Amino acid sequence: GDSVTQMEGPVTLSEEAFLTINCTYTATGYPSLFWYVQYPGEGLQLLLKATKADDKGSNKGFEATYRKETTSFHLEKGSVQVSDSAVYFCALSPDTGRRALTFGSGTRLQVQP
Amino acid sequence: DAGVIQSPRHEVTEMGQEVTLRCKPISGHDYLFWYRQTMMRGLELLIYFNNNVPIDDSGMPEDRFSAKMPNASFSTLKIQPSEPRDSAVYFCASGGGHSGANVLTFGAGSRLTVL
Repeated sequence: GDSVTQMEGPVTLSEEAFLTINCTYTATGYPSLFWYVQYPGEGLQLLLKATKADDKGSNKGFEATYRKETTSFHLEKGSVQVSDSAVYFCALSPDTGRRALTFGSGTRLQVQP
Repeated sequence: DAGVIQSPRHEVTEMGQEVTLRCKPISGHDYLFWYRQTMMRGLELLIYFNNNVPIDDSGMPEDRFSAKMPNASFSTLKIQPSEPRDSAVYFCASGGGHSGANVLTFGAGSRLTVL
């Protein structure tokens, strides 16, 4: 079945550091890929998405590129802020059949001033 | 729109009691999902509905869990009887309309503690 694998956390960075959170997936066909973010005590929010190979999703300084050849969708940000501290979830939605998202286990990011 | 609204935000109950969690999706969304989040298992899909009809309930742990969607603006997740291992945060999410079914808006969650 479909699955998403994320790097283990927590990831601890200093403010203005470069961020990469790795995500790889297993799925048939051409799934859509997503990053969601969860701030403490809140539900998940969509951060960005990509629906086909080589698409780049971007939002709030975060970027991720859909790489079909490596089945990856790594999240990057050039300069993190304390306010980026949260849990980040990679997810996929299959192109046919079941409409529900399959989520990775989440990666906690802690940014220190 | 006020977003996806869940109640209660927190529930503490004793083993064996019935628990009912409620969700009001975003108006116009035709998909509704129930997820459970725990430290050990992460986010698990329990069930989802399309146009108020259950489509996939393969994630419902056992017969103690049931979910209904009597109309487009309301859904419930019921656990009867509850057990300590049901302690988790339960999220409702909706999707559909112009955003598509796979762009979900989540509620703030219902944190359940079963003693």
